[in-house]
Amino acid sequence: QQQVKQSPQSLIVQKGGISIINCAYENTAFDYFPWYQQFPGKGPALLIAIRPDVSEKKEGRFTISFNKSSKQFSLHIMDSQPGDSATYFCAAPNTGTALIFGKGTTLSVSS
Amino acid sequence: DTGVSQDPRHKITKRGQNVTFRCDPISEHNRLYWYRQTLGQGPEFLTYFQNEAQLEKSRLLSDRFSAERPKGSFSTLEIQRTEQGDSAMYLCASSPEIVQETQYFGPGTRLLVL
Repeated sequence: QQQVKQSPQSLIVQKGGISIINCAYENTAFDYFPWYQQFPGKGPALLIAIRPDVSEKKEGRFTISFNKSSKQFSLHIMDSQPGDSATYFCAAPNTGTALIFGKGTTLSVSS
Repeated sequence: DTGVSQDPRHKITKRGQNVTFRCDPISEHNRLYWYRQTLGQGPEFLTYFQNEAQLEKSRLLSDRFSAERPKGSFSTLEIQRTEQGDSAMYLCASSPEIVQETQYFGPGTRLLVL
């Protein structure tokens, strides 16, 4: 079964700084890599996703970078804000249509 | 477009009891997924439906678990003879036919088995 390895487990960033979370995958049924944001007691919310016909996708302060040869992708949060404090999950498709999630990164943005 | 809804949001039960959860997907989403999430972990896939057909089940879905989507709209997940290890957040997600890999999650049902 596919595994997705996510790092770091936790991250503390000062307000205005850049948060970087990394993920590595093994094999995929198809190329689609989403990131989800989850606040305590809530379900995961789709943040941004990439299909690797491009190596980078940017939406506002959030950017996904993708490296197919190394099977790695990362999330960059520019100008991090206290409201960004949450747990972030990367995911990759499994053999079917199910997603395999990383273990999550808890981000704390200090003001 | 209302999002995915789940009911109840919280459930406390005693070991050995049966529980049933409901998920209402985003309207016209033909795919519906169930995941389980324990504390400090990412969601883990349980099963998924395309319309009313259950097409894939995870090894995590033991014989005590059953899911249905009888009319291809809402879905139910039943756990029989609950065990303390079943305590978790049960998440439902749905995806549209056109962009099937994009899954939208509901708020989850938090289950506590005493």
